Amino acid sequence: AQKVTQAQTEISVVEKEDVTLDCVYETRDTTYYLFWYKQPPSGELVFLIRRNSFDEQNEISGRYSWNFQKSTSSFNFTITASQVVDSAVYFCALSEAKAAGNKLTFGGGTRVLVKP
Amino acid sequence: DADVTQTPRNRITKTGKRIMLECSQTKGHDRMYWYRQDPGLGLRLIYYSFDVKDINKGEISDGYSVSRQAQAKFSLSLESAIPNQTALYFCATSAPGWGTEAFFGQGTRLTVV
Repeated sequence: AQKVTQAQTEISVVEKEDVTLDCVYETRDTTYYLFWYKQPPSGELVFLIRRNSFDEQNEISGRYSWNFQKSTSSFNFTITASQVVDSAVYFCALSEAKAAGNKLTFGGGTRVLVKP
Repeated sequence: DADVTQTPRNRITKTGKRIMLECSQTKGHDRMYWYRQDPGLGLRLIYYSFDVKDINKGEISDGYSVSRQAQAKFSLSLESAIPNQTALYFCATSAPGWGTEAFFGQGTRLTVV
């Protein structure tokens, strides 16, 4: 069965420090998507990025970057030069092609606290 | 206006009461979902619907039921609420196709006392 593990429950940093969030997933499917969502204190979930299992190219988008490694089943997320507005809970999620309906399996989330 | 609207945003109810959480979306998508969030467990899928006539159980459907009144409306009911159903509930919608992003409502915080 599919599973997503975010081992870090909470990370606290001082503003301008870099933050890396770990995500490890388990799936028997060879075709899948991985996602990161952000949940700010206001509560809604905001989509950040998705990657499919055939695209291991890492990407940088502004202060965000992602490191996808199929060999270790990891999809890590880094915030460079963190800001107070980055304080939120971040969720990694998996969607398998064989699971009908675009259903998401979420990790437990990592709470990031950025102190001024 | 938000793409996905949930009502109520907060609710306190007593054990044994029936309660309905409502969700409407303006994205025009056919797929809709109900998830539940518990601390440390992330979000877990309760029910999902491909269209008005297609409703499916998710990972944790026991104790819940749903109704898809229209393409844009998907409600979640707790027939007889119990304290361990205290959680944050999210409605979501996504476009057809695999790997499309989900758009979430702002959540309903439900407390069962």
